[in-house]
Amino acid sequence: GESVGLHLPTLSVQEGDNSIINCAYSNSASDYFIWYKQESGKGPQFIIDIRSNMDKRQGQRVTVLLNKTVKHLSLQIAATQPGDSAVYFCAEILNNAGNMLTFGGGTRLMVKP
Amino acid sequence: NAGVTQTPKFQVLKTGQSMTLQCAQDMNHEYMSWYRQDPGMGLRLIHYSVGAGITDQGEVPNGYNVSRSTTEDFPLRLLSAAPSQTSVYFCASSRTAGGPDTQYFGPGTRLTVL
Repeated sequence: GESVGLHLPTLSVQEGDNSIINCAYSNSASDYFIWYKQESGKGPQFIIDIRSNMDKRQGQRVTVLLNKTVKHLSLQIAATQPGDSAVYFCAEILNNAGNMLTFGGGTRLMVKP
Repeated sequence: NAGVTQTPKFQVLKTGQSMTLQCAQDMNHEYMSWYRQDPGMGLRLIHYSVGAGITDQGEVPNGYNVSRSTTEDFPLRLLSAAPSQTSVYFCASSRTAGGPDTQYFGPGTRLTVL
């Protein structure tokens, strides 16, 4: 069953297209940001992270961009596949907050075949 | 490694009942934490532990107790369940406690309080 609610912002993309999921954060003292993917009925799965002294980080098919000026984080998924359908959360850790994650509200990605 | 495991997967309680949600990890991780996830929201931190014998409160600790007697286990106790505690509960762990460090999540426990 669903582990998250039905009223999340939804991004619908065609299979093979690129996806961009956005996240705004409010605390300029955050020094570490993470993107998680959550499939229905499962726990969040780590995708990629970035530290505040970086603007961009690339992984396999994913890129995270950090714009500290406007406090904006984005996740780009190249050649989106049906298996990418999930809810995506950004999370942040404040300076000197150890490992305490603060999560954003999430975006549902739906991939059309 | 089994990673982070949680039991039970589903639970229904009546108001006022108590229960313990179990969490275990076999990765020798220092840091463990409990989150709750309500519909349409991200996860919120309940309690966390930076090592055996050490626990602290997160964002929403009221109504929950934790203990960390071993590195592997981090149970979450509901002393007197309330309908507001209906949620999905996730346990997470990371290798180091000093942070920041990648946290790995368990599969979750879906709790309903009637």
